[in-house]
Amino acid sequence: DADVTQTPRNRITKTGKRIMLECSQTKGHDRMYWYRQDPGLGLRLIYYSFDVKDINKGEISDGYSVSRQAQAKFSLSLESAIPNQTALYFCATSERDSRYEQYFGPGTRLTVT
Amino acid sequence: QKEVEQDPGPLSVPEGAIVSLNCTYSNSAFQYFMWYRQYSRKGPELLMYTYSSGNKEDGRFTAQVDKSSKYISLFIRDSQPSDSATYLCAMSARAGSARQLTFGSGTQLTVLP
Repeated sequence: DADVTQTPRNRITKTGKRIMLECSQTKGHDRMYWYRQDPGLGLRLIYYSFDVKDINKGEISDGYSVSRQAQAKFSLSLESAIPNQTALYFCATSERDSRYEQYFGPGTRLTVT
Repeated sequence: QKEVEQDPGPLSVPEGAIVSLNCTYSNSAFQYFMWYRQYSRKGPELLMYTYSSGNKEDGRFTAQVDKSSKYISLFIRDSQPSDSATYLCAMSARAGSARQLTFGSGTQLTVLP
């Protein structure tokens, strides 16, 4: 089984809808991250969490919110989806002291029409 | 100006060729330099990392960092069709920066058999 799983893998939704993307990990890592990937822009950090009680905004947090329900679970919500949130979303984890290695999930392809 | 610039390609080479992938950066605080490989429909995976300046070799892969020029490279010798993927450079600063990774936009590589 994959160490970092994301659900759903693909989602099409309409403008204005609320949507939640979920991430679970079995690696036992404290740190979890949400990124979006767009062509030509690479991976951009949306939110990150160092533990259940520590959540921080990343580079592009506007329009998104997160919830760290447990050490193993980190959810990303779009309260009112808009078309320019169409992207590939990745969840990642890392060990507490790691300065370079993050472990990524398989991604969720989100389309907002 | 982006903190990390990467030639997006795409790059297409014949099997056995030497491949050079490059990134430039502007933040002199970056100390850790990484290359992630991303296969189609998958999340990125760490391929190599280096700390500060110098070279690091791992099989057919060599990572180089020139901090004076703010330039990093990944060389792939005897390239194989299985090397076909998108290669993302990533960087992070020393402790105190929340250990966030800043990614390049990725270079798509195709190795033709």
